[in-house]
Amino acid sequence: DAGITQSPRHKVTETGTPVTLRCHQTENHRYMYWYRQDPGHGLRLIHYSYGVKDTDKGEVSDGYSVSRSKTEDFLLTLESATSSQTSVYFCAIRVGGDNEQFFGPGTRLTVL
Amino acid sequence: AQRVTQPEKLLSVFKGAPVELKCNYSYSGSPELFWYVQYSRQRLQLLLRHISRESIKGFTADLNKGETSFHLKKPFAQEEDSAMYYCALKETSGSRLTFGEGTQLTVNP
Repeated sequence: DAGITQSPRHKVTETGTPVTLRCHQTENHRYMYWYRQDPGHGLRLIHYSYGVKDTDKGEVSDGYSVSRSKTEDFLLTLESATSSQTSVYFCAIRVGGDNEQFFGPGTRLTVL
Repeated sequence: AQRVTQPEKLLSVFKGAPVELKCNYSYSGSPELFWYVQYSRQRLQLLLRHISRESIKGFTADLNKGETSFHLKKPFAQEEDSAMYYCALKETSGSRLTFGEGTQLTVNP
């Protein structure tokens, strides 16, 4: 499975609390991505990274921040969670030369 | 900005019938296009990409630049094809993918 995991897999939290999701890969891929999946919207890119400490915003970055202090970990933080951030979050890595993205198993986040 | 449209949110066919999932895109450059599939309770996985012109699990997709489409087709649907399908576009430069809204395919026995 290209060695990509996400933690936690499920989380329920309350509005206003900070939340950090972790994406971990074991194969030293340079590019990593965070998406959210919502019915009617498909997958939308939140942030992505093209190397250690190199990150950029996606189309729905408001309310989210990311960090990548080492190649294998890409963290997504919701500084103050809101109900609109209830979603399934997927991490992905870019593998190979054909721009294929390989996805993690997802994290289901519920903000009450 | 690039955009991917999948006009059908839900598609239902019977086993053995042909199936076509539509994907249209808007992009001024030369796109790379992909189809991803998500089976129930599983992670998204790549189904096929237009560059390789391959057939995976009986599915094919042809890039039609004139109609800006990349429809996914299979001549005889199987029950195990039931899943969510996403069309995605990658811009010529850069590494980001833009996904469509997805089509939930149900193949009935």
